[in-house]
Amino acid sequence: KNQVEQSPQSLIILEGKNCTLQCNYTVSPFSNLRWYKQDTGRGPVSLTIMTFSENTKSNGRYTATLDADTKQSSLHITASQLSDSASYICVVSAGGSYIPTFGRGTSLIVHP
Amino acid sequence: NAGVTQTPKFQVLKTGQSMTLQCAQDMNHEYMSWYRQDPGMGLRLIHYSVGAGITDQGEVPNGYNVSRSTTEDFPLRLLSAAPSQTSVYFCASSLTGGLSETQYFGPGTRLLVL
Repeated sequence: KNQVEQSPQSLIILEGKNCTLQCNYTVSPFSNLRWYKQDTGRGPVSLTIMTFSENTKSNGRYTATLDADTKQSSLHITASQLSDSASYICVVSAGGSYIPTFGRGTSLIVHP
Repeated sequence: NAGVTQTPKFQVLKTGQSMTLQCAQDMNHEYMSWYRQDPGMGLRLIHYSVGAGITDQGEVPNGYNVSRSTTEDFPLRLLSAAPSQTSVYFCASSLTGGLSETQYFGPGTRLLVL
């Protein structure tokens, strides 16, 4: 069964600090991994997508990494801002399937 | 572009009642889908459509019906609501449903079934 596990479940950091969120997956055959940001009361918004051949991809202060061998991904947020407070969701798609597997998300709170 | 719109934003139903959640997109996307999001769980796919007249089941289709008569609209029908269907429902769309395409999500409909 395809699974996506995210850690930590929640995280509180001070504004300006960095943080790293983790995603482990068992999805086969792997097609791509995407990170979404979901603000409270809103729909998810895509941050970045990683394919098998990509190790690192950045989107502003967000940097995603992928290790396809260990089936792990991380999302690093640099110099956090109050607006980074949200849930971050890891989603993995399998080849040949329209049904992606979503992680439960990491809830990030950035305090001033 | 308005993107993906959903109505209503919030709804309270009694067990056994029926209702339709509306979803529309103005991006000329062929692929549309419905998800539910429950506390402590990841989003789960209910139904999806790869074009007008074509629909298919996702992970959790029981208790829900869909149809796709136009490219723009993809309504989700609850024929007989149950408390287990209390959830937040998201509609999403992408250009063709390709795995590398970005899905655009609507703002969600919060449904409470008493």
